[in-house]
Amino acid sequence: GNSVTQMEGPVTLSEEAFLTINCTYTATGYPSLFWYVQYPGEGLQLLLKATKADDKGSNKGFEATYRKETTSFHLEKGSVQVSDSAVYFCALSAKNDMRFGAGTRLTVKP
Amino acid sequence: NAGVTQTPKFQVLKTGQSMTLQCAQDMNHEYMSWYRQDPGMGLRLIHYSVGAGITDQGEVPNGYNVSRSTTEDFPLRLLSAAPSQTSVYFCASSYLSDYGYTFGSGTRLTVV
Repeated sequence: GNSVTQMEGPVTLSEEAFLTINCTYTATGYPSLFWYVQYPGEGLQLLLKATKADDKGSNKGFEATYRKETTSFHLEKGSVQVSDSAVYFCALSAKNDMRFGAGTRLTVKP
Repeated sequence: NAGVTQTPKFQVLKTGQSMTLQCAQDMNHEYMSWYRQDPGMGLRLIHYSVGAGITDQGEVPNGYNVSRSTTEDFPLRLLSAAPSQTSVYFCASSYLSDYGYTFGSGTRLTVV
C-alpha cells in the first residue's frame, strides 16, 4: 500500500540556518505530494504541494521538488526563523487515500 | 469564513460510553475525512466521505461510525469508548482529495 517515511526528529537549528527534512514515499501510480505544518494546539495547515513529477511546490520560503526517480519530496528552506518552529508532515494522496508521515518537530533557536 | 469547525475541543469519557464528535465545513467541499493523531504515528485515516450519502473506511475504522447526510456535516461516532481511543481527532475537508486538505483545530479525547 501507499506509505510515507520522513526524517525522524526532533531537529534543532539556529536562526538563519539551512533546513532539510527528508521525505520518501511508496505508492502505486502517480500520487500528489504535500507538506503540512502544525503549530502547537492547532490543526495541520497546507504548506505546499506538487501534483506531478519534477513539479516544485513553494510557499513562505519553503520548497520541495517531486522526484519520481528517487520517490522523494524533501522540504528545504534557506534561512529558518524562530517562527518556523513547528511539526512538519509529509503526505501523499492517491485516489482518496491520503497518507501522512510521522511528523518532524523543528525547533529554531534565536 | 469559518472553514472546518470541530466540537467539542476537549472531552473526557469513561470506558464504555458513547459520544459523537461534530465536524462542519462551510466551503461546499465534497470530500471530508476523519483522522486520529497519536505520538510518533502521524495521522491515521479513520473514515472518509466523497459526498453526501457516501462513506468508506480508512486505515483504523474499528470502533467508529460515520454518516454523511449533508455536504456540510460529517459526525464521527464512538460506539463504546476504550482507552485505546484516547487521541487527538482531526476532521478535514477538500474540494477533491488531491487538492490538499483544510483541517479543523482538533478534539482532544481522553478515555479513562
